Amino acid sequence: DSGVTQTPKHLITATGQRVTLRCSPRSGDLSVYWYQQSLDQGLQFLIQYYNGEERAKGNILERFSAQQFPDLHSELNLSSLELGDSALYFCASSVVGRPNTGELFFGEGSRLTVL
Amino acid sequence: SQQGEEDPQALSIQEGENATMNCSYKTSINNLQWYRQNSGRGLVHLILIRSNEREKHSGRLRVTLDTSKKSSSLLITASRAADTASYFCATAPVGSNYQLIWGAGTKLIIKP
Repeated sequence: DSGVTQTPKHLITATGQRVTLRCSPRSGDLSVYWYQQSLDQGLQFLIQYYNGEERAKGNILERFSAQQFPDLHSELNLSSLELGDSALYFCASSVVGRPNTGELFFGEGSRLTVL
Repeated sequence: SQQGEEDPQALSIQEGENATMNCSYKTSINNLQWYRQNSGRGLVHLILIRSNEREKHSGRLRVTLDTSKKSSSLLITASRAADTASYFCATAPVGSNYQLIWGAGTKLIIKP
């Protein structure tokens, strides 16, 4: 158990809909990262928050947005969903603000299926 | 574009044998990390090796880094069925403080 909690574990929805994925980082971790993993592929970095502020942006679509709340949990909002958005969405957390200085702790992911 | 590229894409060996996976990258790095992912699960950190280190060990894992060749290898000795997973390398490019660049992974299958 990494200590990172993601909900929901599975989500099935239709094209054009909007969903919200939630992540609670490990206790004490200030950084939250969101990643997208399509079938049998590597991780695509979406966005990072550090202590409530956006720290880095990756290949995040304009239809997607995220935020980190004062209690440090984070939400990833996906709107106008398309079939190609079907993927595993991972949240990871770390103590430090820079992912390259230490390990990331990953949640179990939210599997999104868009029909 | 992918910074880290793992090789091979898939590897199937008998239990007890050693497994070697490689990761190549394009630009100079601060460090390189290896992660394991069991099917459909979250990633688990295995080891981090810094650019000034050449080799690191952790239990049955041995990681090497050759910065002149821009490559790293992960060796798992005396493999077990529980080692069946995908293994990813993640590089921290110099000058990119906030992003790790991930490879597509090596899928390792350990046959009993």
